[in-house]
Amino acid sequence: AQSVAQPEDQVNVAEGNPLTVKCTYSVSGNPYLFWYVQYPNRGLQFLLKYITGDNLVKGSYGFEAEFNKSQTSFHLKKPSALVSDSALYFCAVRDMSNQAGTALIFGKGTTLSVSS
Amino acid sequence: DVKVTQSSRYLVKRTGEKVFLECVQDMDHENMFWYRQDPGLGLRLIYFSYDVKMKEKGDIPEGYSVSREKKERFSLILESASTNQTSMYLCASSPQFGTGVVEQYFGPGTRLTVT
Repeated sequence: AQSVAQPEDQVNVAEGNPLTVKCTYSVSGNPYLFWYVQYPNRGLQFLLKYITGDNLVKGSYGFEAEFNKSQTSFHLKKPSALVSDSALYFCAVRDMSNQAGTALIFGKGTTLSVSS
Repeated sequence: DVKVTQSSRYLVKRTGEKVFLECVQDMDHENMFWYRQDPGLGLRLIYFSYDVKMKEKGDIPEGYSVSREKKERFSLILESASTNQTSMYLCASSPQFGTGVVEQYFGPGTRLTVT
């Protein structure tokens, strides 16, 4: 069965330090992977995606993610965290069981808290 | 920029009422989706549509129905609202597969409370 796991409910980091939000996946075939961010009382905003090519993907707001096929991971990273990065982050994978709809399977989310 | 709008940000309804949640997108996307978001459970797919009048059940369709009469509009219907349907509802859209754009674009969400 296809799935996405975000093993940490919360990640705490000091401003200026690097941050990592973890994601692992389980799909058949080549995965399409995504990261979204949600600020309080808002919808989800697309950050970045991996479809094919370079394993290091760069996205919005200085975020990047590293695709690791052998470890089936797609961790979100940022070299220097900002207080404004504090939000709820979701990892997602395309649902390969239904090509027509391109539905996504989401992880349960990780709350990132950046302290000043 | 893609814009996905939802008819209400906050909604309070009584048990047993019929509830309509409306979603409109302005990018001519073929695919539209309804999710519900609950703390600790992430986003769960209720229904999606890949064309006008076409719909497919997601993971949790029970208690819901949908309507897509026009390409830009996708409605979620709670036939008889119950308290366990209190949640945040998120609409999303995406172009059809093969365009090179595979990400979904989300609306701001509707926080529904059923009392």
